[in-house]
This record gives sequence, structure tokens and C-alpha cells, in this order.
Amino acid sequence: EPEVTQTPSHQVTQMGQEVILRCVPISNHLYFYWYRQILGQKVEFLVSFYNNEISEKSEIFDDQFSVERPDGSNFTLKIRSTKLEDSAMYFCASSEQRALYEQYFGPGTRLTVT
Amino acid sequence: GESVGLHLPTLSVQEGDNSIINCAYSNSASDYFIWYKQESGKGPQFIIDIRSNMDKRQGQRVTVLLNKTVKHLSLQIAATQPGDSAVYFCAEAINQAGTALIFGKGTTLSVSS
Repeated sequence: EPEVTQTPSHQVTQMGQEVILRCVPISNHLYFYWYRQILGQKVEFLVSFYNNEISEKSEIFDDQFSVERPDGSNFTLKIRSTKLEDSAMYFCASSEQRALYEQYFGPGTRLTVT
Repeated sequence: GESVGLHLPTLSVQEGDNSIINCAYSNSASDYFIWYKQESGKGPQFIIDIRSNMDKRQGQRVTVLLNKTVKHLSLQIAATQPGDSAVYFCAEAINQAGTALIFGKGTTLSVSS
């Protein structure tokens, strides 16, 4: 069964450093998403992406965040200057282009900012 | 404010019992609801969804009930098994491709043998 993959599984970085989290969505999916989950809390939407553009973003997704689809398979989330409060699990998800949809989630990248 | 939430943070059941996990939502515009299961160290896994024009939908051992009058969603798991132990999240969305899912806080289901 096709699945969303994410790398790395765990990323440790120092405050102020840039990080790039990588995702490979399911191949025939056209919508891509990033969510985050701070330890013990609910999953929070960050951004959705379609046709090489951001479709929707939350207030969490400020100027420090950016997304990119650099090629036909990868979808990345960049945090320009990490803060301690960026420590969380970051989940990538993808869905087909249809009105009723399932969003399939990857296993997540645990980001630890020290 | 929080759009979606769950009534109980934890639920403990015996193997073989039926489990009911509840969720309240507040956005009247939401018309698509989903239950996800999250096991430790993994991403959310889709369980079942329901549209707002339905009040009940059944899957394998799971049933989702939607009461739009009181904005309430529940997930029923029949004959709960130890493998069902996980955190369960309800999520809501407006029925549109690419729309963000808004998750509730989650209920931790613990199944003892």
C-alpha cells in the first residue's frame, strides 16, 4: 500500500538554525499538507499546498516557515530560524484531488530545538 | 478558541468490551468529519469519515455517529482489542479539496486483557 514517507525521523538543531524537513507524498496525490503536534497536544494545521502554491495556511505558519515542491516527488518544510517552541512532531500529509478526501499522514519528524 | 474537542482525555476498557469515544465540535460550517487513530511514535491513521448529510456510517468494527443538532460526533469500536490502544482524534473540515483538518485534543484508549 502506498504511504507518505518523511525524513529524517528525528532532527536536533540549535536555536536560530535553519532546518528542512522532507516528505515524499503518495505519488498520485495532488494536495500536500504540513501539520505539527507539540508533545501531548493536538495535531495543528500549518499549511496546505496545491499546484505549486500555498492553498491555505494557519497563523502558526509565519514568515519563518516556507514550503516547496522542489521536484516531482519531494515536498519540504523549511524553518528559517528555529525557536525553542518549534520543537514538535511535524507530520506531512497528502490527499487526492477530490472533494471528499482522506488525508494520509506520514510517520512524522521529531524536531528538537535546543 | 478550540473548534473541535473530546469529552474525555482517557478511556479504559476491557478486551472484548465496546468502546465509545465522544467528540464535540463548534463550527456549524463543517460538513466533513473524520476519526484518526494515532499509535505511539506514528502519524495519525485514518479510521472512518462521515459527511454531514449522514448520521451514521459503519466500517469494520467501527461506527461513527453524527448528531448535527447538538454538534456531537462519536466513534464506537466493537469488541475492543489490545491493538486498539491508541490516541483517537476527531477532526473536522469543510467539504472541499485541500481544506485543513481541524483536530480535537484526543482521547487515549487503553485496552486491558
